[in-house]
Amino acid sequence: DAKTTQPTSMDCAEGRAANLPCNHSTISGNEYVYWYRQIHSQGPQYIIHGLKNNETNEMASLIITEDRKSSTLILPHATLRDTAVYYCIVGHYNAGNMLTFGGGTRLMVKP
Amino acid sequence: DSGVTQTPKHLITATGQRVTLRCSPRSGDLSVYWYQQSLDQGLQFLIQYYNGEERAKGNILERFSAQQFPDLHSELNLSSLELGDSALYFCASSVGQLAETQYFGPGTRLLVL
Repeated sequence: DAKTTQPTSMDCAEGRAANLPCNHSTISGNEYVYWYRQIHSQGPQYIIHGLKNNETNEMASLIITEDRKSSTLILPHATLRDTAVYYCIVGHYNAGNMLTFGGGTRLMVKP
Repeated sequence: DSGVTQTPKHLITATGQRVTLRCSPRSGDLSVYWYQQSLDQGLQFLIQYYNGEERAKGNILERFSAQQFPDLHSELNLSSLELGDSALYFCASSVGQLAETQYFGPGTRLLVL
């Protein structure tokens, strides 16, 4: 599986957009980009995933660059409850289902 | 609430002992996954079962074993426990066996003294 690189930590003001970057320069053509988050010590929570097109759901937007070597998760209006560790994961859709979590980005939303 | 349940929430035991962690997947999900999260190792995939059969294996120690029962609930058995086994153990479930959305339970916190 391709590896990902994320900043260790980021701050964001409450109500502002949080933009979390992820580099996955060795991603292969059939690998998806997944985002999960973990609030404190709760179970990780699925946020969004995509292959090459930008995706949006009720939680966030995922912007994938045209060369697919990087992506950005956007939380449009961050709240204090969005403070969490955000994990960017790449994986094959057809090759087993394990999620390989890296260190993630610790996002702190501040009032 | 993800719909995945795990019991017990907390477990305290001694070195050398054996414990069993239980997971009930979301209704309709056929795959169950086990992950271990310790302070120094982060979240690590242990093993996956799909409809009762082992599907994928990760960094699972030989002292650990798992199974998935006909009603699709799963158990993770940890034996000859060591101090380093202290961790959060998460179960996740998904509908199928391919790379798709996984829903995680609240975890079991294991403390080995």
